[in-house]
Amino acid sequence: GQQVMQIPQYQHVQEGEDFTTYCNSSTTLSNIQWYKQRPGGHPVFLIQLVKSGEVKKQKRLTFQFGEAKKNSSLHITATQTTDVGTYFCAGPGTSYGKLTFGQGTILTVHP
Amino acid sequence: ETGVTQTPRHLVMGMTNKKSLKCEQHLGHNAMYWYKQSAKKPLELMFVYNFKEQTENNSVPSRFSPECPNSSHLFLHLHTLQPEDSALYLCASSSTVMLTGELFFGEGSRLTVL
Repeated sequence: GQQVMQIPQYQHVQEGEDFTTYCNSSTTLSNIQWYKQRPGGHPVFLIQLVKSGEVKKQKRLTFQFGEAKKNSSLHITATQTTDVGTYFCAGPGTSYGKLTFGQGTILTVHP
Repeated sequence: ETGVTQTPRHLVMGMTNKKSLKCEQHLGHNAMYWYKQSAKKPLELMFVYNFKEQTENNSVPSRFSPECPNSSHLFLHLHTLQPEDSALYLCASSSTVMLTGELFFGEGSRLTVL
């Protein structure tokens, strides 16, 4: 079945450093979504990418969708303590409503 | 306020108990979902409902029984659970079950099975 892999599993950075998490799918995706889950919280939608090679920015966050639509990345510039949490990518599965999540990257930011 | 409300937020139950988790969405969505989140595992889809009809059962054991009386409410009935069922159970909704739909999650029900 479809697999969505994320690396790294953990990332510890000093405040002000950059951070990148990568997402790879075993199949071509029609779109990819990114979510953030703060410690003790619930996943919150960040963005959806649809087009091959698409790049979208949200303030210090930059999201990319690969040309082959099988991989994606999230880059955070100059991390802040508010960026702490787990970042998940998710791609549509083989049936309606079936969203396959990656295992997430847990980001820790040291002040 | 997420627009998706789950109760209870925390639940401790024995293996012989019967309990229910409740989810209500105030977003006018037509699709609702149950996800399971265990430590060190990806979010696992359990059930999908679209316009009250179950469209997906992701090979979930029968000790989990969903109920969707209308498009705004979703329940997860629990009975004779196992300790490995301890997890965060997340309800979510979306406008449709079409593949491009953004999911809105509730805050989750933290379940501990003793």
